Amino acid sequence: KAGVTQTPRYLIKTRGQQVTLSCSPISGHRSVSWYQQTPGQGLQFLFEYFSETQRNKGNFPGRFSGRQFSNSRSEMNVSTLELGDSALYLCASSLDGGASWEKLFFGSGTQLSVL
Amino acid sequence: SQQGEEDPQALSIQEGENATMNCSYKTSINNLQWYRQNSGRGLVHLILIRSNEREKHSGRLRVTLDTSKKSSSLLITASRAADTASYFCAPVYNTGNQFYFGTGTSLTVIP
Repeated sequence: KAGVTQTPRYLIKTRGQQVTLSCSPISGHRSVSWYQQTPGQGLQFLFEYFSETQRNKGNFPGRFSGRQFSNSRSEMNVSTLELGDSALYLCASSLDGGASWEKLFFGSGTQLSVL
Repeated sequence: SQQGEEDPQALSIQEGENATMNCSYKTSINNLQWYRQNSGRGLVHLILIRSNEREKHSGRLRVTLDTSKKSSSLLITASRAADTASYFCAPVYNTGNQFYFGTGTSLTVIP
């Protein structure tokens, strides 16, 4: 079974631009979560999608948005990039993330550098 | 904050020694999970301990949970250089499917 796939692996953008990151979960997994990881802040939860609906949201500005498609693939978008958005963006999937509270499966991440 | 807080932030040991890292959290949990991350990569699930469990083993890993102290510890026995990584705890609360990772413990095992 293929793991969680994130593309692209590396991305370099300049301030003010926008970026879209993609995540394909493990086949059969319906919940997709996104995290931002920076050296000083650790992993910060961005949002979680389940069945094309945002179910949970972290404390990030509206410049960060996401969506999930009917095949459970997810994208996140960051508009008007700032230098502080430079980070490793991680996607994680799980079967349904509901009451079973099962574990998360992570992709290798997208390393975003904003210049 | 509902994030797990790992302690110590960094740990350096010799190969063959045991490594212990701790995690504290704030309120009642459903379960607590430990993950490992190799540099610049995604996290890999190691072990899950439920709120009604006190100890769990998986290979060279031993996890304990003390709900009265709201803390957990991860013990890696007979460490190897390949165990060099960052280790994160994630308390999973009853309020929703959201994992609150901390900043992790960076473990270096010296050959």
